[in-house]
Amino acid sequence: QSALTQTPSASGSPGQSVTISCTGTSSDVGGYNYVSWYQQHPGKAPKLMIYEVSKRPSGVPDRFSGSKSGNTASLTVSGLQAEDEADYYCSSYAGSSIFVVFGGGTKLTVL
Amino acid sequence: QVQLQESGPGLVKPSQTLSLTCTVSGGSISSGSYYWSWIRQPAGKGLEWIGRISTSGSTNYNSFLKSQVTISVDTSKNQFSLKLSSVTAADTAVYYCARWDTSSGIFDYWGQGTLVTVSS
Repeated sequence: QSALTQTPSASGSPGQSVTISCTGTSSDVGGYNYVSWYQQHPGKAPKLMIYEVSKRPSGVPDRFSGSKSGNTASLTVSGLQAEDEADYYCSSYAGSSIFVVFGGGTKLTVL
Repeated sequence: QVQLQESGPGLVKPSQTLSLTCTVSGGSISSGSYYWSWIRQPAGKGLEWIGRISTSGSTNYNSFLKSQVTISVDTSKNQFSLKLSSVTAADTAVYYCARWDTSSGIFDYWGQGTLVTVSS
């Protein structure tokens, strides 16, 4: 059982927007602004899409955005494209003992 | 451009020790504020952080695996390693090595992953 809770699946048509949520506790998501999101295509290593809740690494389209409210973080993908179909994982720093926790992943399907 | 590459046996027998090495290229493993981590992913499942090491040798392990795990670093070879003892079929997974950037709280560079199967 993953430490962070994500809905297992989400879907949307091309051009639409979809939001994926990630719920933790005050010891991880709610306690630190070190929430990040990773995209993983089948057979590939995860790729960083969002860090520090809402920052985008160089090269990540601005269609990807992140936010946080309390113990829940969210990833929004706007203007869905076929290549956005992938698994998405959230993660959060959880202090020096536990260090980092992941969500169980959300499979995003572009209809 | 930093690159990480996992290496090690793809098949391990139950009760034996899984050993993997991650070779870092494109930069010194000793430079910067980074931790070097192992993460695994069973087929069809999510990511599980195994543990991390600093270049000074300080380690932290996932509490669920702590009794099985040893992570070490060899700065002279720009490598860090994972040993997981007394493995069972439940340890079958793709194992990734990754760099943790302490300033941003992210795994910014990942290896391609290596599948380790535990089977007799």
